[in-house]
Amino acid sequence: GENVEQHPSTLSVQEGDSAVIKCTYSDSASNYFPWYKQELGKGPQLIIDIRSNVGEKKDQRIAVTLNKTAKHFSLHITETQPEDSAVYFCAAVQGEYGNKLVFGAGTILRVKS
Amino acid sequence: DSGVTQTPKHLITATGQRVTLRCSPRSGDLSVYWYQQSLDQGLQFLIQYYNGEERAKGNILERFSAQQFPDLHSELNLSSLELGDSALYFCASSTWTSGDNEQFFGPGTRLTVL
Repeated sequence: GENVEQHPSTLSVQEGDSAVIKCTYSDSASNYFPWYKQELGKGPQLIIDIRSNVGEKKDQRIAVTLNKTAKHFSLHITETQPEDSAVYFCAAVQGEYGNKLVFGAGTILRVKS
Repeated sequence: DSGVTQTPKHLITATGQRVTLRCSPRSGDLSVYWYQQSLDQGLQFLIQYYNGEERAKGNILERFSAQQFPDLHSELNLSSLELGDSALYFCASSTWTSGDNEQFFGPGTRLTVL
């Protein structure tokens, strides 16, 4: 089955700096890669996603890149703000109907002001 | 607020007991997913229902079962509870059955087994 590895496990950046989180996946059939943000005491919330027919996607300060050949995808957050502090999860879809999300272990992002 | 509701927020019980967690999906969503989040296992997919039918199974133990009712709410039943079942249980919902559409997560139920 699908296996998703995520690095780093913790990341501390200064406010205004950029943050990059990387994930690799094992199943070449996976075709959808969402990123979720989880704040303390809340459920995960989708922040951006990318499909396998696209190499890059941007939404304001957040961007995701996908390298299908190398089977890795990355989350880029620019001009980080204290409210970006949270746990970030990458995921890949697997399953007969592509309906199972397999999550990475998560990255704790701390933005220091 | 995602629009997904889960009850109860917290549940404390003893080993060997049985509990039921409840989830109401967003209005109009037909798919419901259950996830378990623990420190050692991370966020793990348990099971998915679509319009009342089971669609996908993940790492769900035989002691656990779920169902989705005609009004689309779902219940996760956990029986013969063990200490290791202590975790956060999330329900998520989406419009369709395929995984490549946004899943909206509820606030979770924190289960503590003593």
